[in-house]
Amino acid sequence: AQRVTQPEKLLSVFKGAPVELKCNYSYSGSPELFWYVQYSRQRLQLLLRHISRESIKGFTADLNKGETSFHLKKPFAQEEDSAMYYCALSGNSGAGSYQLTFGKGTKLSVIP
Amino acid sequence: GAGVSQSPSNKVTEKGKDVELRCDPISGHTALYWYRQSLGQGLEFLIYFQGNSAPDKSGLPSDRFSAERTGGSVSTLTIQRTQQEDSAVYLCASSLALASPGEQYFGPGTRLTVT
Repeated sequence: AQRVTQPEKLLSVFKGAPVELKCNYSYSGSPELFWYVQYSRQRLQLLLRHISRESIKGFTADLNKGETSFHLKKPFAQEEDSAMYYCALSGNSGAGSYQLTFGKGTKLSVIP
Repeated sequence: GAGVSQSPSNKVTEKGKDVELRCDPISGHTALYWYRQSLGQGLEFLIYFQGNSAPDKSGLPSDRFSAERTGGSVSTLTIQRTQQEDSAVYLCASSLALASPGEQYFGPGTRLTVT
């Protein structure tokens, strides 16, 4: 079974401080990992995916297969980063391949 | 272009009544997904469609839940004999192809409250 764990329900940081949102996963094959974000009163949207190895809005995430982690990082938090962040996993084989398994989310609050 | 739309945005119903939730995906997106977001929980996968077919219905919480998609476009999620535990936000998403399940575009959701 595939599982995504986000250990922090809430993370508060000061503006300008580094941010790390933790995500660990459980999957027997080679998954694809994603971060989704939901800003206040907006719909859920894709932030970034591990296969692109891209930086979006200053955020990066590296897939660590040894630690089965996909932590989201940003060196300097901005107030507009305050949102709900969800880590998600998509399998690459079997019946569960076509669904996203989400973590329970971490609410990031950036304090001015 | 228009994104994924869902209707109604809010639905309050009495326990025991049936409800129908609608999802209009992005034009041209062949894959469509339904999720449920309950208070304090993450997003729970319910069902996906490739075209009009739903190969995997195992995510539906009970046989009171059903979904269909006609014409490869609009989908409806039906909950029969609603219970209070069905109260949640129901999200629909679509993607260009089943081969890119991670690139899903979400609708605004339908907030269902069962009293």
